[in-house]
Amino acid sequence: DTEVTQTPKHLVMGMTNKKSLKCEQHMGHRAMYWYKQKAKKPPELMFVYSYEKLSINESVPSRFSPECPNSSLLNLHLHALQPEDSALYLCASSQENTLNTEAFFGQGTRLTVV
Amino acid sequence: DAKTTQPPSMDCAEGRAANLPCNHSTISGNEYVYWYRQIHSQGPQYIIHGLKNNETNEMASLIITEDRKSSTLILPHATLRDTAVYYCIVRGRANSKLTFGKGITLSVRP
Repeated sequence: DTEVTQTPKHLVMGMTNKKSLKCEQHMGHRAMYWYKQKAKKPPELMFVYSYEKLSINESVPSRFSPECPNSSLLNLHLHALQPEDSALYLCASSQENTLNTEAFFGQGTRLTVV
Repeated sequence: DAKTTQPPSMDCAEGRAANLPCNHSTISGNEYVYWYRQIHSQGPQYIIHGLKNNETNEMASLIITEDRKSSTLILPHATLRDTAVYYCIVRGRANSKLTFGKGITLSVRP
């Protein structure tokens, strides 16, 4: 089983709303990732968690706030977003964050900010 | 981190082998080459990865040149469902980041 589950699949939110994206895996993986993908562009790394600790933040604006409450769950809290933040948000996980471990991706949450 | 260079697009006929090239001339000794693909509007799908030896799994084969400066992903019998963007990635020494480049769009024609 290589399943990474993301909810919701679609989300529309206003610029003053607060919402959260959720990601779950039950493969015992200890590294989890958030990526952002704009239309017709490759995915861009946002955050990496390793053993439930934030290990990489790719200079992401503070209106995006990640959280890893346990080894199976990864959240992305959204607040005061802008329309240009509309994108596909992808979660991934891997056994560890090392050179020789493949990462498995979820199907993403398509976010529209209005 | 080592960069990868891929042609923007290619096509092949259904049932034929698709050979997707990738250049990674600045790759370091312990960096792995990964291939992912992304079918429209879906999450990226892991295909295969390797260090220096050729690798094969149920999806594809990965051929890495002896100097490791380039590689080729081979889909032995392409089907219409293999139409996708294929990303060649060198997983970087700096924090083991998986950084996507522009990829190559493979179109499989009937």
